Amino acid sequence: AQSVAQPEDQVNVAEGNPLTVKCTYSVSGNPYLFWYVQYPNRGLQFLLKYITGDNLVKGSYGFEAEFNKSQTSFHLKKPSALVSDSALYFCAVRPYSNFGNEKLTFGTGTRLTIIP
Amino acid sequence: DAGVIQSPRHEVTEMGQEVTLRCKPISGHNSLFWYRQTMMRGLELLIYFNNNVPIDDSGMPEDRFSAKMPNASFSTLKIQPSEPRDSAVYFCASSFDQGGYNEQFFGPGTRLTVL
Repeated sequence: AQSVAQPEDQVNVAEGNPLTVKCTYSVSGNPYLFWYVQYPNRGLQFLLKYITGDNLVKGSYGFEAEFNKSQTSFHLKKPSALVSDSALYFCAVRPYSNFGNEKLTFGTGTRLTIIP
Repeated sequence: DAGVIQSPRHEVTEMGQEVTLRCKPISGHNSLFWYRQTMMRGLELLIYFNNNVPIDDSGMPEDRFSAKMPNASFSTLKIQPSEPRDSAVYFCASSFDQGGYNEQFFGPGTRLTVL
């Protein structure tokens, strides 16, 4: 069975500094990896995904993530944090399958706070 | 597109009452997911459908929970009887699943409080 670990419940970053939200995964075979963001009292919003190809993927709001197969990691990054980036971030994984029908497994979430 | 629509947005009920949550997925999507989010347990997948057929209901807590998808544009999650520990935010999400690589789109959620 697949799993996702987000080792930090809380990350605090000063506005303008680079940010990293960590994610490691475990899955049989090749992974599909996703990042979602949740703002207060809202549903999750898709940020970016890795399916295949270039290990560095770019997504919404200036976020990017790097797929590292040897370290089984998919850390979320942004060069310069904004106060509006403060939210709850979820990493998710599902295994590649010819048949689809594989459920998405989410991490426990990391609360990112950008300090003005 | 209006996105995934959920109703009601808030529900307050008393223990023992029946609760029905509703979801309208994005038109054209063929997969629908019901999640529950609490502070203690985080985000849990309850059940998901593909082409209106339940594929995995292993996350449904117990027999008090049931879900249906009578057609491609509507799904319900029912709790009968409800208990205080069912209090949570329930999310519906949908996707067009061609092999697992498409993202899910989440609705705004239903905040359920069982007194």
